Amino acid sequence: EVQLVESGGGLVQPGGSLRLSCAASGFIFSSYAMSWVRQAPGKGLEWVSVISGSGGDTDYADSVKGRFTISRDNSKNTLYLQMNSLRAEDTAVYYCAKDRTVTTSWSFDYWGQGTLVTVSS
Amino acid sequence: QSVLTQPPSVSTAPGQKVTISCSGSSSNIGNNYVSWYQQLPGTAPKLLIYDNNKRPSGIPDRFSGSKSGTSATLGITGLQTGDEADYYCGAWDSSLSTVLFGGGTKLTVL
Repeated sequence: EVQLVESGGGLVQPGGSLRLSCAASGFIFSSYAMSWVRQAPGKGLEWVSVISGSGGDTDYADSVKGRFTISRDNSKNTLYLQMNSLRAEDTAVYYCAKDRTVTTSWSFDYWGQGTLVTVSS
Repeated sequence: QSVLTQPPSVSTAPGQKVTISCSGSSSNIGNNYVSWYQQLPGTAPKLLIYDNNKRPSGIPDRFSGSKSGTSATLGITGLQTGDEADYYCGAWDSSLSTVLFGGGTKLTVL
């Protein structure tokens, strides 16, 4: 059974940093691209970042480029999102999501339960 | 405002059929696959449709997807109160080099 479990969310002041983790199980983690998708309170979904299965390729939404860094440790089956220079508009539930295929289909067949990040003074 | 446009809400009666539209452009829906997601209250999104019209295993055939030009449609038949949720379309945008989601449609089954 595929499982994705996020952790690391919490309350942080504007300008602060936070690192999210997503522990994966039930599939060959290193074969699949993984993404972070966020959802501000009462709002829709926003794709944040993607990393290839090997970790060699990454991409980011313009809204987080230069501030967030996605990475993965395939030996630990874990995905990360390092978030720096956080702003109030980064407040959201952050989901990790698995790509449906090994060739990056840009559709996500499994999602974690989400972790809430609140940026406020 | 999302680049993929969905109606904010739709409502219908139990047992009926509903369609939810998703309008985009040639750089996203027009030349890339569309996915649909269901988000029940307080839960994570769930993949309902991928590659415009394919259902993952376990998704009942009451759910269907179609695409024509730069628009896509999610259809749901035999509506149940348990189908009340937010529904999102998604697609890769070749010009923006990003995954786009629609703004979401809240389905109410009266």
